Amino acid sequence: GIQVEQSPPDLILQEGANSTLRCNFSDSVNNLQWFHQNPWGQLINLFYIPSGTKQNGRLSATTVATERYSLLYISSSQTTDSGVYFCAVDDKIIFGKGTRLHILP
Amino acid sequence: NAGVTQTPKFRVLKTGQSMTLLCAQDMNHEYMYWYRQDPGMGLRLIHYSVGEGTTAKGEVPDGYNVSRLKKQNFLLGLESAAPSQTSVYFCASSYSIAPGLAGSYEQYFGPGTRLTVT
Repeated sequence: GIQVEQSPPDLILQEGANSTLRCNFSDSVNNLQWFHQNPWGQLINLFYIPSGTKQNGRLSATTVATERYSLLYISSSQTTDSGVYFCAVDDKIIFGKGTRLHILP
Repeated sequence: NAGVTQTPKFRVLKTGQSMTLLCAQDMNHEYMYWYRQDPGMGLRLIHYSVGEGTTAKGEVPDGYNVSRLKKQNFLLGLESAAPSQTSVYFCASSYSIAPGLAGSYEQYFGPGTRLTVT
């Protein structure tokens, strides 16, 4: 099956900093989503982005399908951005292990 | 519009007991899913359904059964609970963003059920 690898596994930043999270996948996919799991466990869909670039406020994502990776950019980080960020791919929606982001005030 | 809801939110079972987790969605989504999340890991797909009356196995189906008798509900059953099934269970539903394009789904998740088996 498809393998999904996310990096870095952990990231600690000061409030206001920018960050880039990466998701690599081992085969071509029709589906790629980015999720944020907040400290209370709730999973929020950030982007559906099998290819191209999308932006939503301080967050943007780019997927280069031909090179099998996706990037999630967070600009001007806020403490509410803390949590775990997952990418998920494929019809069976396979999740990576996530990047744990901690924003310090 | 409640989105995706899960019942119960917490449960403690003894080894060998059975229980059913209920997932309900009011968005008229065709697809529904059950995942489990263990500490330090991503979500793993247990079973999923592509429509009323249909179910299919995911990555970790053993020890679980599911039913989708109504489009809005997806039930997950544990017939004989084991400590290895201690986990947080998430339900999700999705619709096809581009009908005819396989895998073009956008998922919405419920709040989770924390299950402990002693």
